[in-house]
Amino acid sequence: GAVVSQHPSWVICKSGTSVKIECRSLDFQATTMFWYRQFPKQSLMLMATSNEGSKATYEQGVEKDKFLINHASLTLSTLTVTSAHPEDSSFYICSADGGIGYEQYFGPGTRLTVT
Amino acid sequence: AQSVTQPDIHITVSEGASLELRCNYSYGATPYLFWYVQSPGQGLQLLLKYFSGDTLVQGIKGFEAEFKRSQSSFNLRKPSVHWSDAAEYFCAVSGSGNTGKLIFGQGTTLQVKP
Repeated sequence: GAVVSQHPSWVICKSGTSVKIECRSLDFQATTMFWYRQFPKQSLMLMATSNEGSKATYEQGVEKDKFLINHASLTLSTLTVTSAHPEDSSFYICSADGGIGYEQYFGPGTRLTVT
Repeated sequence: AQSVTQPDIHITVSEGASLELRCNYSYGATPYLFWYVQSPGQGLQLLLKYFSGDTLVQGIKGFEAEFKRSQSSFNLRKPSVHWSDAAEYFCAVSGSGNTGKLIFGQGTTLQVKP
């Protein structure tokens, strides 16, 4: 149980285009999902907290207009990287709040490469 | 501000040897502490967590961790390492107000020699 999927697992896009990444909780409902960014050989940095039916809460320094987050249902949150640039290339990971004991369940991540 | 420090970026141990990964945290109140493992192509997997009670916590895959408040530490241990344990290990603490937000350490890469 408690499986989180991400789609796509990897994507290559051209500079200036937008990319949407989906995060789904497959066998449970998650009112809260989190989006992280991970650079090679580095730790996970929280980008934003996504709550179903409300606006996402962004961490300091994260551009909300560049990283659009939508949490339309209890099982789906999406991250759209708008007008992507090479510096947006990274590994994006989502997690879903399991609701018990503050445990988060993580997706496998999405590798974004902007050329 | 809350923070997590993993002093060892890279550790190499021989298969069958014991392992200890260090984690120090900075947190104003009683922390919620976690250890996650990240393998290539897979999501982070929770090894164990500490909220309260017994300071020695048992986890999956034979791992354990001990919470030491006086040292602000939550070190991960395993008595005998297997080759499949090679991965990236992250210590994390829950954020202020226990909102569920996690703050991660820098991670420790574990390499296992045959």
